[in-house]
Amino acid sequence: EVQLVESGGGLVQPGGSLRLSCVGSGFTFSSYWMNWVRQSPGKGLEWVATIKDDGSEKYYVDSVKGRFTVSRDNAKNSLYLQMNSLRAEDTSLYYCARGRGYNYDWGQGTLVTVSS
Amino acid sequence: EIVLTQSPATLSLSPGERATLSCRASQSISNNLAWYQQKPGQAPRLLIYDASNRASAIPARFSGSGSGTDFTLTISSLEPEDFAVYYCQQRSNWPPFGGGTKVEIK
Repeated sequence: EVQLVESGGGLVQPGGSLRLSCVGSGFTFSSYWMNWVRQSPGKGLEWVATIKDDGSEKYYVDSVKGRFTVSRDNAKNSLYLQMNSLRAEDTSLYYCARGRGYNYDWGQGTLVTVSS
Repeated sequence: EIVLTQSPATLSLSPGERATLSCRASQSISNNLAWYQQKPGQAPRLLIYDASNRASAIPARFSGSGSGTDFTLTISSLEPEDFAVYYCQQRSNWPPFGGGTKVEIK
């Protein structure tokens, strides 16, 4: 059974940083592209970032370019999202998801709240 | 940039009725479209990929159709557990997701 478990969310002040993690199991992590998708309270889904299976390609939504960095450690079956210069509008539930193009499996999310 | 427009925003139906959800792309995306279901407090779940292929363990009452710019998700007979929000997503370009359609109990 595929499992994705996110962690690292929390309350942070504007301008602060957080590092989200996602651990995958039940599949060959190193063979899959991985994604971060977020959802603000009561709102729709917003794609945030994508990383290729070997980490050689990374893509970001314009609103996070230069502030967020996606990375992975295939030896640890782990995906990361380093979030710097956080803004109130980054407040969301952050999901990691597995797949290239389509998101075949999702974690349950980790909540990031940016507030003073 | 490809924009996906979902309609209607809300669909009010009774159990047993047929649901028809629309997703329109601002330019052709061939069949590169998926549908997801999201229930309150849960992560989205992939229902349909490549416009018409059901994902693993998805009941046959869910079907997808369309290509190019116009796509449809049909739920042939609504079960109580089908009342949820549905999102379409394209993989031809970014941003990928539509705004969602809420299927609520009438």
